[in-house]
Amino acid sequence: SQTIHQWPATLVQPVGSPLSLECTVEGTSNPNLYWYRQAAGRGLQLLFYSVGIGQISSEVPQNLSASRPQDRQFILSSKKLLLSDSGFYLCAWAMSSNQPQHFGDGTRLSIL
Amino acid sequence: DQQVKQNSPSLSVQEGRISILNCDYTNSMFDYFLWYKKYPAEGPTFLISISSIKDKNEDGRFTVFLNKSAKHLSLHIVPSQPGDSAVYFCAASDQYGQNFVFGPGTRLSVLP
Repeated sequence: SQTIHQWPATLVQPVGSPLSLECTVEGTSNPNLYWYRQAAGRGLQLLFYSVGIGQISSEVPQNLSASRPQDRQFILSSKKLLLSDSGFYLCAWAMSSNQPQHFGDGTRLSIL
Repeated sequence: DQQVKQNSPSLSVQEGRISILNCDYTNSMFDYFLWYKKYPAEGPTFLISISSIKDKNEDGRFTVFLNKSAKHLSLHIVPSQPGDSAVYFCAASDQYGQNFVFGPGTRLSVLP
């Protein structure tokens, strides 16, 4: 069966510091991969999605970036965090577009 | 502009009764709809989906109804159980699965 792992579960970072969140999927190959953010009291906002290695589509312009160095690895990064980057970040995978997405347990990021 | 709306931020229902969660969308290109359930500090869990060629899909206690002309869908939970207490997200995508949008969520509380 397929599983998705996200880490760390919680992270506290100072403003201006870099960020790297990692997500890996097991039990499937060539999945679609997604990064979402849920700000406090709000819905899920799609940040990036990838349909293959090295293929990244950005939904929202911001100071975040994503990379997919391997088939089942998706990384969310920032060179310099802002206070507004605080939130709950979720990684998800799907067999293909227009299939249900399956989510990891999320990373709660607090920027001080 | 919010393409997927869930106008009720919260809903309380007595155990054993029916819970009805509503969702409206504006983009006529959406043709695949999903419901997710989310507990605090966890990723959303896929519940049930429906494609635009159907008007009803049932899975156990969960039934999703789609009214394309009204651009409205609803999730019915019968009978409601305390373990159903969570935030429910409606999501929609177009046929290519690339415009994937979540609603803001409705918090369901099932009272014993």
